[in-house]
Amino acid sequence: GAVVSQHPSRVICKSGTSVKIECRSLDFQATTMFWYRQFPKQSLMLMATSNEGSKATYEQGVEKDKFLINHASLTLSTLTVTSAHPEDSSFYICSARNSAGYYEQYFGPGTRLTVT
Amino acid sequence: TQLLEQSPQFLSIQEGENLTVYCNSSSVFSSLQWYRQEPGEGPVLLVTVVTGGEVKKLKRLTFQFGDARKDSSLHITAAQPGDTGLYLCAGASGGSNYKLTFGKGTLLTVNP
Repeated sequence: GAVVSQHPSRVICKSGTSVKIECRSLDFQATTMFWYRQFPKQSLMLMATSNEGSKATYEQGVEKDKFLINHASLTLSTLTVTSAHPEDSSFYICSARNSAGYYEQYFGPGTRLTVT
Repeated sequence: TQLLEQSPQFLSIQEGENLTVYCNSSSVFSSLQWYRQEPGEGPVLLVTVVTGGEVKKLKRLTFQFGDARKDSSLHITAAQPGDTGLYLCAGASGGSNYKLTFGKGTLLTVNP
C-alpha cells in the first residue's frame, strides 16, 4: 500500500519550453501533496504544498508563476515548470499524505529534469 | 522556523560495523519519520515514532524518539552494503500544517 507514481521519470527539454510532471497516489486518497526539489547528495527542499481543490501554498523564494501546481483530484497533482531555464534542471520529487493516516508522507520515484 | 540537525553528514564504514545517526532539534515534534533514499529514487519511509521514549526495531535498525520528542536516533547493527543510501529524518510539527521539517541527511556508504 501507499504507492505514489510520478511521470515522467526523466525529461529533457529546451530552454523556454514548459514541462508538466504528474504525481499520482495509486492506492490511497491524498488531500495533501507536496513538491520537493533535490540537489545531488543533499536533502529535500520543499517547494510547495498542494491541497485538493484549492490553491497551492508556496515556500518562500519559490516563484508561483514559474512552478504551477494543480491538485485537481484526490489522487493527482501536477507541477508545470514554465519557461524552463538550465538552472531549473534538478530532481523533482512529489509526496502524498494519506488522508486516513498520520503525518507520514509517501514519495514518488522522482523526475530528473534537464533543461538544455 | 523549526530546524533538525542531523549528524553525521557523511559516514563510510566497513561491512559488519555498527553506526548511529542522530537528529536533534530545540523544537518539539508531534512525530518523527525516518526515510532511506537510494540514488535516482524517491525516499522510502522506514518508520514513524510518535511517543516520547519510543523505541522501534526494524530488523537490524533501531529507532529511538527522545523523551522530550526533540531528538531521535537511528542505530544500525552489523551494517551491510545494502544499507548504503541517504538517510533522512523528518519531523512533523502537528496541527493542520502537515509539512515535514527535514534534516540535511546522512550519506552512508557500507564497503564490502
